[in-house]
Amino acid sequence: NAGVTQTPKFQVLKTGQSMTLQCAQDMNHEYMSWYRQDPGMGLRLIHYSVGAGITDQGEVPNGYNVSRSTTEDFPLRLLSAAPSQTSVYFCASSPRASSGNTIYFGEGSWLTVV
Amino acid sequence: DAKTTQPPSMDCAEGRAANLPCNHSTISGNEYVYWYRQIHSQGPQYIIHGLKNNETNEMASLIITEDRKSSTLILPHATLRDTAVYYCIVRGAGGTSYGKLTFGQGTILTVHP
Repeated sequence: NAGVTQTPKFQVLKTGQSMTLQCAQDMNHEYMSWYRQDPGMGLRLIHYSVGAGITDQGEVPNGYNVSRSTTEDFPLRLLSAAPSQTSVYFCASSPRASSGNTIYFGEGSWLTVV
Repeated sequence: DAKTTQPPSMDCAEGRAANLPCNHSTISGNEYVYWYRQIHSQGPQYIIHGLKNNETNEMASLIITEDRKSSTLILPHATLRDTAVYYCIVRGAGGTSYGKLTFGQGTILTVHP
């Protein structure tokens, strides 16, 4: 997986706590996004960004906030964690937000909310 | 985005070619077909993509029918490390769809010794 770094890899939260999942890429990619994957299911898009200062909602945005102050970083914030947010989270990036540009994924962040 | 249909599982003998089919009968003219795979719960790994023509890279070949309603991913010499879930995805080309990959259930490919 080309140059998309996610931290932390594992995290346990209590219900109501907040936290930020970090995502960084050093490839000068314009497009970045966050997905979640629940057990036995495919990935679902949470939020995405087509460039610094621009973000938009994906398929399942509720309970998550994002910002894109730099090209390199795209953090995902959980303001008040809920057990339903227990999942594996993947950050992804692409050179440009067009169909012919490949999207590359990070290794994932495992989040458990108890 | 066009929906894709894949068989839930397939088996392949090590060293043989693995041919993974995908139906995408509602694909639009400017939508690409992408293939990813996921090993255990690692991040999805890009394999190949195409629009109309057949494509080949160091990992695989992608054969797209002339009417673009179906495609086949070919792993020419499958190894045990190719055991994974393979996702066929049609990627939207317009509006807010261009960045979105819609993952279905995929095909679980098991490569046997």
